[in-house]
Amino acid sequence: EAGVAQSPRYKIIEKRQSVAFWCNPISGHATLYWYQQILGQGPKLLIQFQNNGVVDDSQLPKDRFSAERLKGVDSTLKIQPAKLEDSAVYLCASSLEAGGTGELFFGEGSRLTVL
Amino acid sequence: DAKTTQPNSMESNEEEPVHLPCNHSTISGTDYIHWYRQLPSQGPEYVIHGLTSNVNNRMASLAIAEDRKSSTLILHRATLRDAAVYYCILRASGSARQLTFGSGTQLTVLP
Repeated sequence: EAGVAQSPRYKIIEKRQSVAFWCNPISGHATLYWYQQILGQGPKLLIQFQNNGVVDDSQLPKDRFSAERLKGVDSTLKIQPAKLEDSAVYLCASSLEAGGTGELFFGEGSRLTVL
Repeated sequence: DAKTTQPNSMESNEEEPVHLPCNHSTISGTDYIHWYRQLPSQGPEYVIHGLTSNVNNRMASLAIAEDRKSSTLILHRATLRDAAVYYCILRASGSARQLTFGSGTQLTVLP
């Protein structure tokens, strides 16, 4: 079974530039998550989708971050304009169900460096 | 979400058992205890979860205290590949709430 696919794996940009990350979840998984992981910290949830609707985006910095999940499958996370503090690994995860005991499957992440 | 407390780091010798503790004194009756681990340069991966009874799977065992205020993840025979950050997370059943990660325990396995 194919896992969660993310691209690009690495991205280096200068501050105030924009960047986009793509995620393809496991087939049939209804729920998709984007997490931000700053070096030395645990992952922090940015946004959670159930199919193509947003369940929780309370920790998404909406002035610069946006995310969409068209047709309830793939998702894109965009940062515009980027700040130095956005340097982090952006992890996408998916699960079959929205809550309870459903296991989350994570991709390998996209590492962003903002100079 | 109820909070968990884990040691920042632990060391173990290869091929010996490892007991990773987690305290969760404010756990509620509907909270499941989940463990995930994160190997270097990878995303977190599921290890095990439980509610009240001890649980075993191919990766590990989960021992849950009778009052559920603490739990222990047991790796029966540590290998070098088990070196990772281990996260203990509480998650309410039946809700759409996401996993909330803390800082976890960095496990070092010595050859």
